[in-house]
Amino acid sequence: TQLLEQSPQFLSIQEGENLTVYCNSSSVFSSLQWYRQEPGEGPVLLVTVVTGGEVKKLKRLTFQFGDARKDSSLHITAAQPGDTGLYLCAGAPGNQFYFGTGTSLTVIP
Amino acid sequence: DAGVTQSPTHLIKTRGQHVTLRCSPISGHKSVSWYQQVLGQGPQFIFQYYEKEERGRGNFPDRFSARQFPNYSSELNVNALLLGDSALYLCASSERFYEQYFGPGTRLTVT
Repeated sequence: TQLLEQSPQFLSIQEGENLTVYCNSSSVFSSLQWYRQEPGEGPVLLVTVVTGGEVKKLKRLTFQFGDARKDSSLHITAAQPGDTGLYLCAGAPGNQFYFGTGTSLTVIP
Repeated sequence: DAGVTQSPTHLIKTRGQHVTLRCSPISGHKSVSWYQQVLGQGPQFIFQYYEKEERGRGNFPDRFSARQFPNYSSELNVNALLLGDSALYLCASSERFYEQYFGPGTRLTVT
């Protein structure tokens, strides 16, 4: 059982479509991070959400932290081919850092 | 500013051998963490070091060990390599534990 479950696992959409990725846990996190990883490279930090109910925007990406701080979502508006990659949520309920199961996004031109 | 650097980039080893992977953190970062990532999965936490002391350890066998040096660089050692150790090994540095900056990784292949 994974501490952080992401859905969907795979997503293939056309350029211009919107999408939402979910990250869920039964544990409470003081913060959650979202990363994007491209093949053969390390994950790149996109955002940290700290406060329950918090919404952060990064250009066409909107991140939300659940009120109970157990879940988070990533919404992408008008997806572009450059958004293709593996999206990972992550957090540390203790002194271990856990990554989610990952969502592999492919945006087709 | 230079990011996290790792060496080597790629490595091929034989079962039973030993391997040492190296990581240099971002200047000013005192914490270094190591992760193993198998193809198609998210990274799995192996170790965290802060100020040369182990602060966290994931669910990995004792064949895995690490250390951090006075300049905050770090080494990950794996003994008695198994085929299942083939993976991308990632190093991350941070000022605050929950915001980690990753290097490009070392691709280890065990044959």
